[in-house]
Amino acid sequence: AQSVAQPEDQVNVAEGNPLTVKCTYSVSGNPYLFWYVQYPNRGLQFLLKYITGDNLVKGSYGFEAEFNKSQTSFHLKKPSALVSDSALYFCAVRDIDGGNNRLAFGKGNQVVVIP
Amino acid sequence: DAEITQSPRHKITETGRQVTLACHQTWNHNNMFWYRQDLGHGLRLIHYSYGVQDTNKGEVSDGYSVSRSNTEDLPLTLESAASSQTSVYFCASRSGFGTEAFFGQGTRLTVV
Repeated sequence: AQSVAQPEDQVNVAEGNPLTVKCTYSVSGNPYLFWYVQYPNRGLQFLLKYITGDNLVKGSYGFEAEFNKSQTSFHLKKPSALVSDSALYFCAVRDIDGGNNRLAFGKGNQVVVIP
Repeated sequence: DAEITQSPRHKITETGRQVTLACHQTWNHNNMFWYRQDLGHGLRLIHYSYGVQDTNKGEVSDGYSVSRSNTEDLPLTLESAASSQTSVYFCASRSGFGTEAFFGQGTRLTVV
């Protein structure tokens, strides 16, 4: 089965510092990778995706992610974190075992940006 | 604007009762999904549908059922609610291969 792992439960970062949220993947075939953000009491919102092409993908709210095939990683990054970036972040991968349109999610990372 | 809505937003029910959570999308997406979110488990797939009259079991489907009679709706039914089904439930839809999913606001279900 296709899967993603988010090794850290919580990431603490000072406001203005770079933010990195880690994700590694395990797939057969080409990976289709996604990042979502969840603010308190809200549904998940799409941030960005990697399908093919440039390894550096730019998304919403100043976020970007780097696809690294040799390390099977798709880390989410932001150069300068804001307090408003405090949220739960999910990495996801297309799950071909259940048909091409399923997404398998990681457990999520809580990001806390400290003022 | 197109959207995906869930109702109710909050529900308290008793053990053993049948409960139905509604999901309605106006994106005209063929693919719809139900997830539950629990601390320490992230999002786990309950059921999904690739089109009208199509339903499939996800990784945690026991005790749940869905039906797809039209493109817009995928109601989730808990046949006999159990305390283990206390959770936050999210509905999502996507148009197809390689596209992002759009999520509803969630339904917080408490089984007492």
